[in-house]
Amino acid sequence: EAQVTQNPRYLITVTGKKLTVTCSQNMNHEYMSWYRQDPGLGLRQIYYSMNVEVTDKGDVPEGYKVSRKEKRNFPLILESPSPNQTSLYFCATLPSSRGEQFFGPGTRLTVL
Amino acid sequence: SQQGEEDPQALSIQEGENATMNCSYKTSINNLQWYRQNSGRGLVHLILIRSNEREKHSGRLRVTLDTSKKSSSLLITASRAADTASYFCATSSGAGSYQLTFGKGTKLSVIP
Repeated sequence: EAQVTQNPRYLITVTGKKLTVTCSQNMNHEYMSWYRQDPGLGLRQIYYSMNVEVTDKGDVPEGYKVSRKEKRNFPLILESPSPNQTSLYFCATLPSSRGEQFFGPGTRLTVL
Repeated sequence: SQQGEEDPQALSIQEGENATMNCSYKTSINNLQWYRQNSGRGLVHLILIRSNEREKHSGRLRVTLDTSKKSSSLLITASRAADTASYFCATSSGAGSYQLTFGKGTKLSVIP
């Protein structure tokens, strides 16, 4: 089954404790992206990757890092999380340059 | 930066009625997409309309695009309780759909 998986689905952590949210896809899509969703603000893009070893900043990259060492995985790293990074995070993939994006189920992160 | 803005923010209708949601955007686009999100879950792609198209249909969905007014509308006909969800428009302005800019969404409630 074609899918985008994220882990963990829920995470409560404390300020400053480094964490990684994983994203994996089995569709061989070249493009992957991370979004955060906050009430009243909709979805905002954090980082995206057009291929292995190619990443670029989205609209709200501050406080986040990403890496794309292999095609199927695109982890989101928070080196020193802060409460303003409490949010619902989505990973998405894109099969071609002008098509729909496929979204993962989301990771709800709370930073205390 | 927020590109699409949906209107209304919330819509409540009876089952069987039609639901219309509007989206306005600011800059020229390559395509506009509509997504659905059930509460707290991942987004599901509904329909994509390219900038050179004016109308598109998919099942009970009808999307129109007016590039001169920089607006789009999503019509759901004969609504069902299962259509209850938030609906987002997303625009792509670059060379492909790599960077999607989402609106804040319309929350649709369909009352049985």
